[in-house]
Amino acid sequence: AQKITQTQPGMFVQEKEAVTLDCTYDTSDPSYGLFWYKQPSSGEMIFLIYQGSYDQQNATEGRYSLNFQKARKSANLVISASQLGDSAMYFCAMREGPEGGNQFYFGTGTSLTVIP
Amino acid sequence: SQTIHQWPATLVQPVGSPLSLECTVEGTSNPNLYWYRQAAGRGLQLLFYSVGIGQISSEVPQNLSASRPQDRQFILSSKKLLLSDSGFYLCAWSRAASGTDTQYFGPGTRLTVL
Repeated sequence: AQKITQTQPGMFVQEKEAVTLDCTYDTSDPSYGLFWYKQPSSGEMIFLIYQGSYDQQNATEGRYSLNFQKARKSANLVISASQLGDSAMYFCAMREGPEGGNQFYFGTGTSLTVIP
Repeated sequence: SQTIHQWPATLVQPVGSPLSLECTVEGTSNPNLYWYRQAAGRGLQLLFYSVGIGQISSEVPQNLSASRPQDRQFILSSKKLLLSDSGFYLCAWSRAASGTDTQYFGPGTRLTVL
């Protein structure tokens, strides 16, 4: 089974609107971390936001927030007030706790296009 | 602060030639180190990861190899490149102490095999 699933290959959003990028995960480890990365056309992977499995509140970082629904095993990224510079690939990732090893599992990504 | 370097940034190599990509991390000690490959328009494929000097775990059997001669140096090599080795190679590091620590990426190397 896939550890990380991103079901939206491509998304479009109007500038200044909010957009939600979906991510579901699969793990039996009680301790894990969830991450979102942005990859612009330049190729670098930029870390955006992190959510720990024991965190009670949803993570926020500026215009980025993570909608963490533990029972549903989902960790959707919400980008508010979209900007043209938000156009990029977005990857969801998970790292399991110490017993799960040191690997990070990545989804296949969502391509976001912000329309002016 | 920690920084991660990769070189070269771009590389064009003929089929059958050798390869050596280097990755170094500054500002931290005993990091976990990772090599990923990303084909055009695709997701990340984990190739190798290392939890210490001389300790390499391979995730995908292929004609690539990795070495970690120093604590903060990670090298990806091949004796004979294949066309299918073309792609974007990313090195990353994370702290070894916690399973939920963030992974940080280098700028990447774009490899074209002709």
